[in-house]
Amino acid sequence: DQQVKQNSPSLSVQEGRISILNCDYTNSMFDYFLWYKKYPAEGPTFLISISSIKDKNEDGRFTVFLNKSAKHLSLHIVPSQPGDSAVYFCAASVVGNQFYFGTGTSLTVIP
Amino acid sequence: NAGVMQNPRHLVRRRGQEARLRCSPMKGHSHVYWYRQLPEEGLKFMVYLQKENIIDESGMPKERFSAEFPKEGPSILRIQQVVRGDSAAYFCASSPLGLNTGELFFGEGSRLTVL
Repeated sequence: DQQVKQNSPSLSVQEGRISILNCDYTNSMFDYFLWYKKYPAEGPTFLISISSIKDKNEDGRFTVFLNKSAKHLSLHIVPSQPGDSAVYFCAASVVGNQFYFGTGTSLTVIP
Repeated sequence: NAGVMQNPRHLVRRRGQEARLRCSPMKGHSHVYWYRQLPEEGLKFMVYLQKENIIDESGMPKERFSAEFPKEGPSILRIQQVVRGDSAAYFCASSPLGLNTGELFFGEGSRLTVL
């Protein structure tokens, strides 16, 4: 039962362009969402979060958008850099409960 | 300020043997979580522990798997009588105040290979 889905296993983007990573969820009770970035042979590292009271959160080149009615969130990276090449996981939870992770999207930024 | 420390980083076991994976949370963190990542899959929650307590083990297989977080020492994920399907990367994460804070700090993972 995959409650958080990332339907694009991979994405390639030219350096300098925008990367858009998408995530869908099924549980309308989720009220906290995060994005993690993972390099090979390393653990995931926290990138950015958003709570359900907001529809946008921005941190430098990274912006997360939340559309609660569509149960959809997206991560925008602009401008994309080669160092952004990694696997990106979205995660969702009901605050105080466990996090459910998506299957990840592998982003490649082409110099 | 050391991060979440996991060891061993790589572990090879034959079918039927036991695997023990250890996790030391970040300093000051009293909440530990174990996740498993199977090949080509995402991170699957296994168990959430506080010192000497299992808070949520809904993701743990019913047999052969156990976890503890003693008062002193690291958290241990134990897999008895391993099978090939247990081959995966096991990630530990910690947080200072539990899930209400949101952010989890992950270790680099322990990669178990069952021959």
